[in-house]
Amino acid sequence: QSALTQPASVSGSPGQSITISCTGTSNDVGSYNFVSWYQQYPGNAPKLMIFEVNNRPSGVSNRFSGSKSGNTASLTISGLQAEDEADYYCCSHAGNYVVFGGGTKLTVL
Amino acid sequence: QVQLVESGGGVVQPGRSLRLSCAASGFTFSNFGLYWVRQAPGKGLEWVALISSDGGNKYHADSVKGRFTISRDNTKNTLYLQMNSLRAEDTAVYYCAKDRGVLGYFDWSVDYWGQGTLVTVSS
Repeated sequence: QSALTQPASVSGSPGQSITISCTGTSNDVGSYNFVSWYQQYPGNAPKLMIFEVNNRPSGVSNRFSGSKSGNTASLTISGLQAEDEADYYCCSHAGNYVVFGGGTKLTVL
Repeated sequence: QVQLVESGGGVVQPGRSLRLSCAASGFTFSNFGLYWVRQAPGKGLEWVALISSDGGNKYHADSVKGRFTISRDNTKNTLYLQMNSLRAEDTAVYYCAKDRGVLGYFDWSVDYWGQGTLVTVSS
């Protein structure tokens, strides 16, 4: 049950696009299309942004998109806005358990 | 509207026990899988346990296996986490969370989270 690997931090300027990677193994990300992404502001509960690799819940901006290739999933945020500055976590089904990434702090410059 | 309200957190000495509860409303409780997820101060999210909609299937993270037990009471719309032999490293905010899947099908993503309850293990 090792955590998925995410970069500790990424940054971008308003209007730019950024991508956050999430690397797992053939036992989790590589085996299941059940990768989800969460946004968390300090002191708040996480919010679901992407489910099943590339699906957005109702109400989530279409600036957020997800993808997967092999053992690595990615979250792309286009048209960066100041409000996107937050922590982002990936998560994957892994058989009889769930594994999160270590989290990525997104800074909007 | 879906609401998940955790309770039972607090300060506890190492080796002691605590039971967390999560009162749910706004959805058909018995139709959904549920999770406990924790977050140590300044750290990332860590999955703790999950339970199927009927309570028949339960799985726990290796870090808590044998010490924590997830359970649910579908007549009371309540999720529980019994925590025994607590350690300092169990100090965290514990979130109750609802799986997005319906009719007992796990989607392995969380569409609703509680506000969290803080557990502090310290002598």
